[in-house]
Amino acid sequence: NAGVTQTPKFQVLKTGQSMTLQCAQDMNHNSMYWYRQDPGMGLRLIYYSASEGTTDKGEVPNGYNVSRLNKREFSLRLESAAPSQTSVYFCASLLTASYGYTFGSGTRLTVV
Amino acid sequence: GQQLNQSPQSMFIQEGEDVSMNCTSSSIFNTWLWYKQDPGEGPVLLIALYKAGELTSNGRLTAQFGITRKDSFLNISASIPSDVGIYFCAGQNSNSGYALNFGKGTSLLVTP
Repeated sequence: NAGVTQTPKFQVLKTGQSMTLQCAQDMNHNSMYWYRQDPGMGLRLIYYSASEGTTDKGEVPNGYNVSRLNKREFSLRLESAAPSQTSVYFCASLLTASYGYTFGSGTRLTVV
Repeated sequence: GQQLNQSPQSMFIQEGEDVSMNCTSSSIFNTWLWYKQDPGEGPVLLIALYKAGELTSNGRLTAQFGITRKDSFLNISASIPSDVGIYFCAGQNSNSGYALNFGKGTSLLVTP
């Protein structure tokens, strides 16, 4: 049982390049989330998907798009990367509020 | 997102000492959670609290959900070197798809 799998683990982009961060969970969870973590800032919500077929903006959505491809997969896309998007990105999933989140191990993105 | 104030920002203690950290919010939450993050990994749930006034233990960890629903604390007793990491509080409500609002974290260092 892999839990939440994020790919890639590391990525370096040039300013203006695009890329998609992949996230998949095998726990049949309903809700999925993308957070970014910056030093001294905690984790901030970018987008979330409360159920298959729905997506909503979080606290810091600008510069990102998401796709809930199916119940298992929730991808995060940077259309034109900027240095301000250098961060560690975490995907998480949730069955119900009673069980808490399961986080992936993160994608470390550097934009130069 | 709703602002959570977590303190202290960092702690440097000796093995065997007790540790206390807390989190306050200007908003009410239905659920308070405490996570630990090890270097290079995603946060892992330590304790979840679902009722105002609730006191819950998990081994050497004890956490309480404040009566006002605007605060929570986490205590670690008899610290050991593997307690090293960053501890995050998080508040959660049923709106916004059960998204978590995180504190900025408490970095704990334990010397043998």
